[in-house]
Amino acid sequence: GENVEQHPSTLSVQEGDSAVIKCTYSDSASNYFPWYKQELGKRPQLIIDIRSNVGEKKDQRIAVTLNKTAKHFSLHITETQPEDSAVYFCAASNRGQAGTALIFGKGTTLSVSS
Amino acid sequence: DTAVSQTPKYLVTQMGNDKSIKCEQNLGHDTMYWYKQDSKKFLKIMFSYNNKELIINETVPNRFSPKSPDKAHLNLHINSLELGDSAVYFCASRGLAGGYNEQFFGPGTRLTVL
Repeated sequence: GENVEQHPSTLSVQEGDSAVIKCTYSDSASNYFPWYKQELGKRPQLIIDIRSNVGEKKDQRIAVTLNKTAKHFSLHITETQPEDSAVYFCAASNRGQAGTALIFGKGTTLSVSS
Repeated sequence: DTAVSQTPKYLVTQMGNDKSIKCEQNLGHDTMYWYKQDSKKFLKIMFSYNNKELIINETVPNRFSPKSPDKAHLNLHINSLELGDSAVYFCASRGLAGGYNEQFFGPGTRLTVL
């Protein structure tokens, strides 16, 4: 089955700096890679996702890159703000298979200090 | 309107008891899931349920059983609760719209076993 590794487990940055979180996956059949943000006591919420036919996707300060050959994908947050502080999870799954769950990385706790 | 809802939000109970958590989605999705988030924040899939097909994570004890009265509901029954069952349980759903993409999470149920 799929296995997703995520690094680093914790990341501390100054406000305005960039933050990068990296993930690797094992199953070449995976073709959908979302990133979720979870604030303390809240549910995980999707912030950006990428499909395997795309190498990069950007949404304002957030971008995701995917290298299918190397089986890794990364989240980039620019101009970080204190409200970006949260736990971020990467995940992988196969879009075409009904019932297939998202397999999550172990999460990265991002702290942005002002 | 809430897309994915769970009840109760908090559940405190004694070891050995049997309890249930309810989940409902109003998104018209055909696949629902239960995830367990432990104290280290790791999100682990427990069950996937799609059109009456149940996919079980083999590491889940058989004290846990999902029950789906219809496509909009997936309840979780737990028998003989143990201390190690204490965690936050998230229900989620996902639908087929150009492939299985975004997965929506419920607000979570924090289970504490004393």
